[in-house]
Amino acid sequence: KQEVTQIPAALSVPEGENLVLNCSFTDSAIYNLQWFRQDPGKGLTSLLLIQSSQREQTSGRLNASLDKSSGRSTLYIAASQPGDSATYLCAVNSGGGADGLTFGKGTHLIIQP
Amino acid sequence: NAGVTQTPKFQVLKTGQSMTLQCAQDMNHEYMSWYRQDPGMGLRLIHYSVGAGITDQGEVPNGYNVSRSTTEDFPLRLLSAAPSQTSVYFCASSYWEKGSPLHFGNGTRLTVT
Repeated sequence: KQEVTQIPAALSVPEGENLVLNCSFTDSAIYNLQWFRQDPGKGLTSLLLIQSSQREQTSGRLNASLDKSSGRSTLYIAASQPGDSATYLCAVNSGGGADGLTFGKGTHLIIQP
Repeated sequence: NAGVTQTPKFQVLKTGQSMTLQCAQDMNHEYMSWYRQDPGMGLRLIHYSVGAGITDQGEVPNGYNVSRSTTEDFPLRLLSAAPSQTSVYFCASSYWEKGSPLHFGNGTRLTVT
């Protein structure tokens, strides 16, 4: 059974810093990996989706990388802003369809002004 | 474009009562699903559907029923509410192709007393 771990569980950094969030998974036979953002009291918003054949994806100040062989993904946030404060979750798709998603428990990120 | 719409946003039930959580999407997505999110447990799949008339169980289906009579709607029914069903419930949808991002609603916070 696929297991997804996110470290750290919580992170607080001053505004302007570059930071890295980590996601590891136990079974490297995946179709894709998706990073989400969740604001308090809200649903999840998809940030980046990396297919198993890709090494990274970029959107604005966000860059996600994928190393399938080692079972790891990182989400890099450049020049962090207070508006980036949220919980970030990664989800690994092992089954092909969306029912094959396994979620990590998230990293709660606080950017101090 | 409304995306995924969930109603109600909040609900309090007494043990034994029944209710239906509504979910509608306007993106013509084939796939729809229900998750519950609990502290320390992450997101867990309850039921999902790959198209009208087709539903299947996820990781934690007991105590819940679903039906999919149209592409747009995917209601979740609690047959006899129990305190263990106190949670935040999220509906999500996507295209069925591998690699399609998952779109979430804003959730229903349910308390069973």
